[in-house]
Amino acid sequence: EVQLVESGGGLVQPGGSLRLSCAASGFTFSNYAMSWVRQAPGKGLEWVSGISGGGGSTYYADSVKGRFTISRDNSKNTLFVQMNSLRAEDTAVYYCAKNPYTSGRGAFNWFDPWGQGTLVTVSS
Amino acid sequence: QSALTQPASVSGSPGQSITISCTGTSSDVGAYNYVSWYQQHPGKAPKLMIYDVTNRPSGISNRFSGSKSGNTASLTISGLQAEDEADYYCSSYTSSSTYVVFGGGTKLTVL
Repeated sequence: EVQLVESGGGLVQPGGSLRLSCAASGFTFSNYAMSWVRQAPGKGLEWVSGISGGGGSTYYADSVKGRFTISRDNSKNTLFVQMNSLRAEDTAVYYCAKNPYTSGRGAFNWFDPWGQGTLVTVSS
Repeated sequence: QSALTQPASVSGSPGQSITISCTGTSSDVGAYNYVSWYQQHPGKAPKLMIYDVTNRPSGISNRFSGSKSGNTASLTISGLQAEDEADYYCSSYTSSSTYVVFGGGTKLTVL
């Protein structure tokens, strides 16, 4: 069974940093691109970032470009996102999700499955 | 403002059919057959229901179907059941720098 488990969320002050992790199991992790998708309280879904299976290609939404860095450790089946210069508008539940293909922009055509999410709150 | 436009809410009675629309542009929905749909119950993670416009993942009921015409994709749920009550989101690949766009979500109420 494919399983994704996020961790690392919490309360952080504006301008601060946080690193989220997503532990994957039940599939050959390096064969698939992965993504982070967030959902602000009471709001809709927003794709944040994606990374190819090998980790060599990374993609970002304009809203986080230059502040967030996605990475992966295929030897440990773990996905990461380093979030710097956090703002109040970054407050959300952050989900990691498995994508259908290994690489290319079309690798993010759909998301299945999703982890349970981890809450990030940016507030003073 | 979400990139894809969905109705805020739809409703139907048990056994009926409903359709949720998802309107984009010629840069996303209209250009590619890469529309997906997600079901989200309160406090839960989203679940993939439809991918590549019309395809159902293994284990998803055939009561769920997808289609597309021009810049508008649609999700139809037939034989409504109480457990279908949830939020539904569409998503599409886009040629813009955003890569992926979502709709604002539609709350389905089963009366």
